[in-house]
Amino acid sequence: SQTIHQWPATLVQPVGSPLSLECTVEGTSNPNLYWYRQAAGRGLQLLFYSVGIGQISSEVPQNLSASRPQDRQFILSSKKLLLSDSGFYLCAWSAGGAETQYFGPGTRLLVL
Amino acid sequence: GENVEQHPSTLSVQEGDSAVIKCTYSDSASNYFPWYKQELGKGPQLIIDIRSNVGEKKDQRIAVTLNKTAKHFSLHITETQPEDSAVYFCAASKRSNDYKLSFGAGTTVTVRA
Repeated sequence: SQTIHQWPATLVQPVGSPLSLECTVEGTSNPNLYWYRQAAGRGLQLLFYSVGIGQISSEVPQNLSASRPQDRQFILSSKKLLLSDSGFYLCAWSAGGAETQYFGPGTRLLVL
Repeated sequence: GENVEQHPSTLSVQEGDSAVIKCTYSDSASNYFPWYKQELGKGPQLIIDIRSNVGEKKDQRIAVTLNKTAKHFSLHITETQPEDSAVYFCAASKRSNDYKLSFGAGTTVTVRA
């Protein structure tokens, strides 16, 4: 069966520091991968999605970037964090060409 | 782009009663509508989904209905239990947009014992 992992689970970072969040998927090949952000008490906003290694589409202008160095690995990064980057970051996967997305456990980021 | 509106934002029901959450969407080309349940501090979990070629789908105490003409779909939970308390999200997507999901703002459901 397929599983999706995210780490770290929680992170507290100072403003201006770099960020690297990692997401990995097991049990599938060539998945579509997604990064979402969820502000407190709000819905989910799609940040990036990827249909293959090195292929990244950005959905909203922001302080973040994404990379996909391996088929089942998706990384969310920032060179300098802003206060507004605080939130709950969720990674999701879907089988290539399929509609259904499955979410990971999330990373809670607090920027102080 | 797609705009999904979800109502109500909060819902409190007595254990054993039914809960209904409604969503509307703007893009008539959307053809896939999932519902997710999110417990505190966890990632959303898919609980049921429906495609545009059917009008209703049921899985035990959970059912979803779709009205393509009116562009709205609803989640029905019957015989609610305390463990149904969570935030529920609806979403919509379409093949031509790589099935990227547009989410509603969520409904916080509280089941009173």
